[in-house]
Formats: sequence, C-alpha cells, structure tokens
Amino acid sequence: EAQVTQNPRYLITVTGKKLTVTCSQNMNHEYMSWYRQDPGLGLRQIYYSMNVEVTDKGDVPEGYKVSRKEKRNFPLILESPSPNQTSLYFCASSLSSSGGKGGETQYFGPGTRLLVL
Amino acid sequence: AQSVTQLGSHVSVSEGALVLLRCNYSSSVPPYLFWYVQYPNQGLQLLLKYTTGATLVKGINGFEAEFKKSETSFHLTKPSAHMSDAAEYFCAVSKGTYKYIFGTGTRLKVLA
Repeated sequence: EAQVTQNPRYLITVTGKKLTVTCSQNMNHEYMSWYRQDPGLGLRQIYYSMNVEVTDKGDVPEGYKVSRKEKRNFPLILESPSPNQTSLYFCASSLSSSGGKGGETQYFGPGTRLLVL
Repeated sequence: AQSVTQLGSHVSVSEGALVLLRCNYSSSVPPYLFWYVQYPNQGLQLLLKYTTGATLVKGINGFEAEFKKSETSFHLTKPSAHMSDAAEYFCAVSKGTYKYIFGTGTRLKVLA
C-alpha cells in the first residue's frame, strides 16, 4: 500500500531533550516536506526537500533540523525542544514536477502529536 | 508575500444543502491552488486542484471549485451536503516553487 508513515504518533517530552520524528514514504517520491498544524493557524511549512541531499527552509524553520540522506526518509529533528513546539506535525511527499512548479499532489502521513513540557 | 484567506473558521449546513467554503489568495502571478480535507485524527487528503487549463475543477466526493483570476478566489462547493462531509477543509497555494501556503482551515459541520 502506498503510504507515508510517521513515528512516533504521540510523544510527550521535556524541554531541552533532543528528539527525532521519523517520516518514510514508499512511493519513490522526490519531494518531501514537514508541516506543523496549530489551532487557528492552519498548516505551516517547516522544511522541505526537493531530492536527496537537497533541503530548504519553509516559513517556520526555527528550532528544527532536517536531513535527506535517502530518498524514502526525511526525519525531523528538534535539538532542544521548547513548549512552543507543542503541535501536531505532518510529513508529506509528492512527485517532483519538472522545473519545481509545485503543482503536484502531496500525500500526507497520519501526523505526530508532540507535547513539550 | 503569498497568503491564503479562508473566510469562516466554522461553517454549518443542513444535510442536503449547498456547501460553499471560501478561499481567496494573494499572488502576483496565477498560482497552483488546492483543496485538502482532513477527517478527525487523520492526515490531509487532496480533494481537487487547479494547475492549468479549465478553471472549473471537479474533485472527489462531488466537490468542485472554480478558479476566478479576477477575484483571486478558489471557492469550494458541493450541491448537496452529506453527513460524511463533516471535516476540516484547507485551501492551499503554491506559486511555482516548492513552497506551499495553507489557509487556516474551515471546519464544516453537517446538521441532520
């Protein structure tokens, strides 16, 4: 089954304790992206990756890191989580259209709910 | 900068009534436009999208949207609401880059 998987689905942690949220897709998609969803703010893009070893910042990258060493995986790293990073996180992937036109359909994972105390 | 405005964070309609969810965008060039739906405790899934060509776009589950460049709008409609349409709906734009901007969402409630 074609899908985007995220782990863990739920996570409670404390301020300053490094954590990684994994994202994996089995559709051979070049493009992957991370979003956070907060009430009243919708989804905001954190980072995205156009292909292996190619990443760029979205609108809210502060406090996050990413890496894209393999095509299928795109982990999100919080080096020193803070309470304002409490949120619902989504990973998404899509094919990469020629010229990076951005008109492709994104396929979303089920989400990771993070609580930072 | 691009932005997306969804009017009405909550919309209620009766079962069988018309669904109209509004989306306006700001962009200096025609963007790519999307509507995604999020059912409770799930990720988002695409309803429909406009990239080029016909401005009236048909999607899944009987939804459609019309791209109106002069009004910078991409409103989502469905002629007859069903209980299963209750969800949160997000409008999104991409302007020829890999960046996506989502609206703040509209939660649709369908009344029996």
